[in-house]
Amino acid sequence: DVKVTQSSRYLVKRTGEKVFLECVQDMDHENMFWYRQDPGLGLRLIYFSYDVKMKEKGDIPEGYSVSREKKERFSLILESASTNQTSMYLCASSFLAGGGDTQYFGPGTRLTVL
Amino acid sequence: QKEVEQNSGPLSVPEGAIASLNCTYSDRGSQSFFWYRQYSGKSPELIMFIYSNGDKEDGRFTAQLNKASQYVSLLIRDSQPSDSATYLCAVKEAAGGGADGLTFGKGTHLIIQP
Repeated sequence: DVKVTQSSRYLVKRTGEKVFLECVQDMDHENMFWYRQDPGLGLRLIYFSYDVKMKEKGDIPEGYSVSREKKERFSLILESASTNQTSMYLCASSFLAGGGDTQYFGPGTRLTVL
Repeated sequence: QKEVEQNSGPLSVPEGAIASLNCTYSDRGSQSFFWYRQYSGKSPELIMFIYSNGDKEDGRFTAQLNKASQYVSLLIRDSQPSDSATYLCAVKEAAGGGADGLTFGKGTHLIIQP
């Protein structure tokens, strides 16, 4: 089974803090993604990566950065957390095969910024 | 801007009946279409994907795609209370290849009444 894990299920941070969200997948997938999910807005893509050290902006990259130093690990960084970044953060990974670019999601990190 | 539209519901269906979930998308270049199920407090899990016009069946689930009308649907036969969840339609531009994030609809909340 594909397994995508995220470092924390719940996280509480203060405004202005630097926040790191970690994601690890164990299936040697090339592609990894970070989304946030908010009530009434749905899932929105923040950043994705198709290879080590490669990154692409998604639809809402402002206020975020990412790091992919190893194939299995993709980190989302909030340089200076703000209250409007309170959200559920979901990591996903995928590979290209007969099933297409099917994305598998981790359990999510619910971040609260006070 | 790519948009994916779904009726938010709730859609209430009696147990044993057919549940019909609909999705429209704005980008004619979209090539890959996915249905995810999300239980409350959990991350999305893939139900089906479809690339070609027509129907695709997997157990009690049937996905239908009409690219001319830019319309995707999911039918759930013999609905069970365990099918009660939010169903997310997701669309990807690349034809199965190339990493790219998914554009999600906001989801339809389905309730199966015993």
